[in-house]
Amino acid sequence: DADVTQTPRNRITKTGKRIMLECSQTKGHDRMYWYRQDPGLGLRLIYYSFDVKDINKGEISDGYSVSRQAQAKFSLSLESAIPNQTALYFCATSDLAGLSYNEQFFGPGTRLTVL
Amino acid sequence: DAKTTQPPSMDCAEGRAANLPCNHSTISGNEYVYWYRQIHSQGPQYIIHGLKNNETNEMASLIITEDRKSSTLILPHATLRDTAVYYCIVRVEGDKIIFGKGTRLHILP
Repeated sequence: DADVTQTPRNRITKTGKRIMLECSQTKGHDRMYWYRQDPGLGLRLIYYSFDVKDINKGEISDGYSVSRQAQAKFSLSLESAIPNQTALYFCATSDLAGLSYNEQFFGPGTRLTVL
Repeated sequence: DAKTTQPPSMDCAEGRAANLPCNHSTISGNEYVYWYRQIHSQGPQYIIHGLKNNETNEMASLIITEDRKSSTLILPHATLRDTAVYYCIVRVEGDKIIFGKGTRLHILP
């Protein structure tokens, strides 16, 4: 869905490097989420934000941090990347009203490889 | 933890109805049943959701048992493009989503 964009789409980095994954949305949604997906597994929630001043840990927040710079932007950082953080990362948005209330809209994903 | 149990994989012939089961025996009274699907490595896509009554939209039908402990997602006329991983999720309306491992549906030509 072009309304939710993620950059970069692919990234290869080395152990110990700091990495930032960015997510932007034009849907005007208040809520944003970061998930990771490992091969053969479902998505696991890393962090989520219900508005600009609200940040919450998800299932697997250790080793990650986030920043909600604006309603439309939610960044995920790996302060010191390690190989087991190699995964596919998804950003998602949702809203509190109307047809978007019950649905999360996902970005195209960022494939991160940590060597 | 995901509150649902789904078979890891299923096959369905193209053109037939695909019936995907989900058990959610510990569902609470205010939790809805949601279905998403993920095609290859794309972001998941919302399909349908319901509380107690059966629901239908342009993509699928959702049948929820009277005791709400299980449900079935029905794709009425499966096509090859329906090959995907299907996730059954229970959640309070508007809350965060916790994904399980889902069911990998193979549509056979």
